[in-house]
Amino acid sequence: AQTVTQSQPEMSVQEAETVTLSCTYDTSESDYYLFWYKQPPSRQMILVIRQEAYKQQNATENRFSVNFQKAAKSFSLKISDSQLGDAAMYFCAYRSTYTQGGSEKLVFGKGTKLTVNP
Amino acid sequence: NAGVMQNPRHLVRRRGQEARLRCSPMKGHSHVYWYRQLPEEGLKFMVYLQKENIIDESGMPKERFSAEFPKEGPSILRIQQVVRGDSAAYFCASSPNLDQPQHFGDGTRLSIL
Repeated sequence: AQTVTQSQPEMSVQEAETVTLSCTYDTSESDYYLFWYKQPPSRQMILVIRQEAYKQQNATENRFSVNFQKAAKSFSLKISDSQLGDAAMYFCAYRSTYTQGGSEKLVFGKGTKLTVNP
Repeated sequence: NAGVMQNPRHLVRRRGQEARLRCSPMKGHSHVYWYRQLPEEGLKFMVYLQKENIIDESGMPKERFSAEFPKEGPSILRIQQVVRGDSAAYFCASSPNLDQPQHFGDGTRLSIL
């Protein structure tokens, strides 16, 4: 079974600076998706960024980018020019690409709480 | 295009009562997923449904929990004879197909007295 590990329960960053959140995962599959979701205090789950494992190019979405290291099974999230609105729980998640029953679910890490200091 | 709609937002039940949580997926989405989030934890998969079919219920407790996604109407997660340990946030997500990411509702926070 796949597992996702986020080793940083909490992180903090100064406004306008850059922060990197870590995520590692364990799988025997060669193709899969990886995601970062953001959960602010309102508890919504907001998709931040998505990466397909077969793509070597790291995904970017405005101030958010990932460092995907497939061999190391590492998928870190970098937030540049941090803003107060970035403060939230961030969850890393894995999903298989195989369509057999049971593989479509997301497997989440325990999350990293990000605080942005003004 | 409205997002995934869950109701109620908050639900309070006494031990032994039944809880019914509703989820209306985004328009055009036929895949529905239910997840549970315990305090200070990540989301844990419970069940995956397509219209009228349960595809994967490997994360759902064998007793007291059931889910459905009828041809017409929302998906329902039903918890019978609730216990204190059922207190959690329950999230529904939907997607149009397996290649697209799942979009989440705002969740239902279930509290058991």
